[in-house]
Order: sequence, then C-alpha cells, then structure tokens
Amino acid sequence: DAGVTQSPTHLIKTRGQQVTLRCSPKSGHDTVSWYQQALGQGPQFIFQYYEEEERQRGNFPDRFSGHQFPNYSSELNVNALLLGDSALYLCASSFYRNSGNTIYFGEGSWLTVV
Amino acid sequence: QQQVKQSPQSLIVQKGGISIINCAYENTAFDYFPWYQQFPGKGPALLIAIRPDVSEKKEGRFTISFNKSAKQFSLHIMDSQPGDSATYFCAAIYTTSGTYKYIFGTGTRLKVLA
Repeated sequence: DAGVTQSPTHLIKTRGQQVTLRCSPKSGHDTVSWYQQALGQGPQFIFQYYEEEERQRGNFPDRFSGHQFPNYSSELNVNALLLGDSALYLCASSFYRNSGNTIYFGEGSWLTVV
Repeated sequence: QQQVKQSPQSLIVQKGGISIINCAYENTAFDYFPWYQQFPGKGPALLIAIRPDVSEKKEGRFTISFNKSAKQFSLHIMDSQPGDSATYFCAAIYTTSGTYKYIFGTGTRLKVLA
C-alpha cells in the first residue's frame, strides 16, 4: 500500500522563476492538502483539493496555485518565486468522508530559492 | 482563535524518563486533536490522536491527556528512548464549509539522552 509520494525531493530555483511540485495521494484517498513548512516551524496550510476543486485556502498569495487530476494526484505551482518561499512543501492526503479526518503526509519537497 | 500554542519549544530528557509536551487552544469548534512526529528531513507522521469526548488515550508508550474545560491537551512519552528524538507537533482540527482544517502547533524538539 503506497503512501503519499512527492516529487521532486529537492530542487533549487532562482528568484522570479516558477516551480511545480507533484503529489500522489495514499491509495484510497481522494483529498489532497498542501502545506509549507519553514525551517523550525510547524506546517502552514496552503490549500486543499477535493473533486478537482480547491475547497479551502490558507493565507497564501495568488502566486500559489494548484490542481487536482481525476486520479486524485495533485500539483502545487508557485510563480514569481521569492527567497522567502524556501521551505519544505508537504503534501497530505485523506479520505474526504473519513470522520476522523486523519491526514497522512508525504516526505516533502525541499525548495531552495536563491 | 485559530491558534494552537505548543510548549516547550525544546525538551531534553534522560533515557527512561517521561517527556511531556503541552498544547492549548481557544476555538471550541476544534473536534479532533492529533499528534505528529517528524524526524529531520522527513514528513510528519501521525503518532496518536484523540477526540474531545475522551480524557485520555494510550498507545504503547504514548499517551494523550485531554482537558476539555481547560482547552488543553498533552502528549506523554513514557520510558523515553533516544530513537524518540524528533520534533513533535500537536494539531487541532475543525470543520468548516463542509470540509476540515488543520491548525498545527509550532513544534517541540525533543532530545533523549542515551
């Protein structure tokens, strides 16, 4: 039973560039959430996707956008990268109707903006 | 109101000792309280979780104590081992607009001395 998988694991981008991160949810899960975790901080909610629609959004600018595909996988896109976007980006998946709403994280994608 | 305050920021415990991490919240709409364990370079992994209608939940050496009236909950790690050295995050979940939202604490870096 594959867990949440993310790619790439590490990447370095230059200020102003764009980046796309990818996530495949755990088998049986239909909901994907993205989090940004700065060094020494807790995960900060970016947005959540279910049924290919953005259902919720945290306090992140429009430079952060996403997509969910029919197979439930998801992408996170960040445009016009800033140095402050350097962080670990975590994807978490869950089953929407699960009353426990337990989310399972992937290993994350380390983004460094130089 | 949506904050979860976690303490201490860091904790050093001798092997075999008890590690205690505390979290407090304000929003009474929170209805699920998980704890996550994160090792360096890895994504957070679900450790144990509790609902507010239960005062205590134990899984192996890990116990959550929940005080609904005080709006506080804590993680106790009994017989702490060097392998428990990691960062621990509490979280609180509330449901809004038909979906759920996770709010994470700022994390506690635990070091267990051999």
